Amino acid sequence: EPEVTQTPSHQVTQMGQEVILRCVPISNHLYFYWYRQILGQKVEFLVSFYNNEISEKSEIFDDQFSVERPDGSNFTLKIRSTKLEDSAMYFCASSYTQGPTEKLFFGSGTQLSVL
Amino acid sequence: DQQVKQNSPSLSVQEGRISILNCDYTNSMFDYFLWYKKYPAEGPTFLISISSIKDKNEDGRFTVFLNKSAKHLSLHIVPSQPGDSAVYFCAATRNGQNFVFGPGTRLSVLP
Repeated sequence: EPEVTQTPSHQVTQMGQEVILRCVPISNHLYFYWYRQILGQKVEFLVSFYNNEISEKSEIFDDQFSVERPDGSNFTLKIRSTKLEDSAMYFCASSYTQGPTEKLFFGSGTQLSVL
Repeated sequence: DQQVKQNSPSLSVQEGRISILNCDYTNSMFDYFLWYKKYPAEGPTFLISISSIKDKNEDGRFTVFLNKSAKHLSLHIVPSQPGDSAVYFCAATRNGQNFVFGPGTRLSVLP
């Protein structure tokens, strides 16, 4: 079964450094998402992306965050200057459509630790 | 603002018995609800869903019930198996946009 893959599985960085989290969505999917889960808290929506542009973003997704689809397969999340509170598990997800009965397919996540 | 709530952070059930996981929501504009299961070190995986025009959806051992007037849904697993032990997230969406997740309930099925 096709799956969403994320790299790396763990990323440790110093506060203030830039990080790029990478995702390869399912190949025929058109909608891409980033979610995150801070330890012990709920899964939170960050951003959705379609047709090479952001379609929706949450309050969490401020100017420090950006997303890109640099080629036909990768979808990246960049955090320009990481803060301690950015430490979380980041999940990439994709879907074929964005219809009312669509479900998301998630990757296994990248655990980001900001020291 | 918790639009989707799962008030039980954990639940323990004996193998073979029924597991009932509950979820409440506040936004009456949600029209589609999903349950995801998450094992440690893995991403959430889709389990079962229900449209707001239905009150029940069944798939094997899993049944989701929706009570729109109470803004409440529940997931029933029967019979529960040890492999069902995971964190279960309730999620809601309007028109398939911006899925809102609950905080999750950790289910432990005891052999």
